[in-house]
Amino acid sequence: DVKVTQSSRYLVKRTGEKVFLECVQDMDHENMFWYRQDPGLGLRLIYFSYDVKMKEKGDIPEGYSVSREKKERFSLILESASTNQTSMYLCASSPLITVRVYQPQHFGDGTRLSIL
Amino acid sequence: SQQGEEDPQALSIQEGENATMNCSYKTSINNLQWYRQNSGRGLVHLILIRSNEREKHSGRLRVTLDTSKKSSSLLITASRAADTASYFCATASRRAAGNKLTFGGGTRVLVKP
Repeated sequence: DVKVTQSSRYLVKRTGEKVFLECVQDMDHENMFWYRQDPGLGLRLIYFSYDVKMKEKGDIPEGYSVSREKKERFSLILESASTNQTSMYLCASSPLITVRVYQPQHFGDGTRLSIL
Repeated sequence: SQQGEEDPQALSIQEGENATMNCSYKTSINNLQWYRQNSGRGLVHLILIRSNEREKHSGRLRVTLDTSKKSSSLLITASRAADTASYFCATASRRAAGNKLTFGGGTRVLVKP
C-alpha cells in the first residue's frame, strides 16, 4: 500500500512565524501535491511538483512556498504565518500519468494547523 | 475556483438504504474521480471513470458520467454505518498539467444504524 506521511497531525504556531509542513511518500511517485481544506470550500490546490526541484503554482499559492529536494519529500512553507492560514493541510502523491493511463492521488491524514 | 459542485451538501439515511449524490463540473475532462474522507482523516480514492465511459461499478458503488450534461453521480447501495463520511468528486481537466485534480466541496453522508 502507498503510504503518505505528514509529519504532524496537529500544529499550533504564532502569527509571523515561519512554518514548515513535511510530507513523505514511500512509493517513488513523481507527482506530489499540497492542498488546504476549509469547510464548504472543499480542497484547494496550493502547489504541486512533478519532479525533484520542479514546482508549479496551484490555485492559491499566495503566502506559501514549497521545496522538493528529494523525490520522496515535499515541504510546504508558510513564510510568515497569518491567522487566515489556519486550516487543514493535506499532502498527496501520484505516479506519473501516461497517455490514457490515469492515476488516483494518495493522501496523507492531514495536518490541522492553527495560527494564533 | 471549484470545478466540481456536489449536491446535496449533506445527506442523512438509514442503514440499508441507498445514498445518491451528484457532481457537476464546468470544463472538458479526461476523467472524474470520487474520494471518501472519514472524519479527521485524509481522502481515500474510491473510483475513477474516464470521459469515454458512461457507467462504472465497484462493489456497492455505482458511478455514472454524462459528459453532455457535465455531471456525474455516485450511488452507494445498501448503506452501512461505516459509510458515514464526506464524499468528494474530483475532475482531471483536459487542459491541466500532470495529474492535477480539481475538487468539489463534498457531500457529508450520515448513515444511521
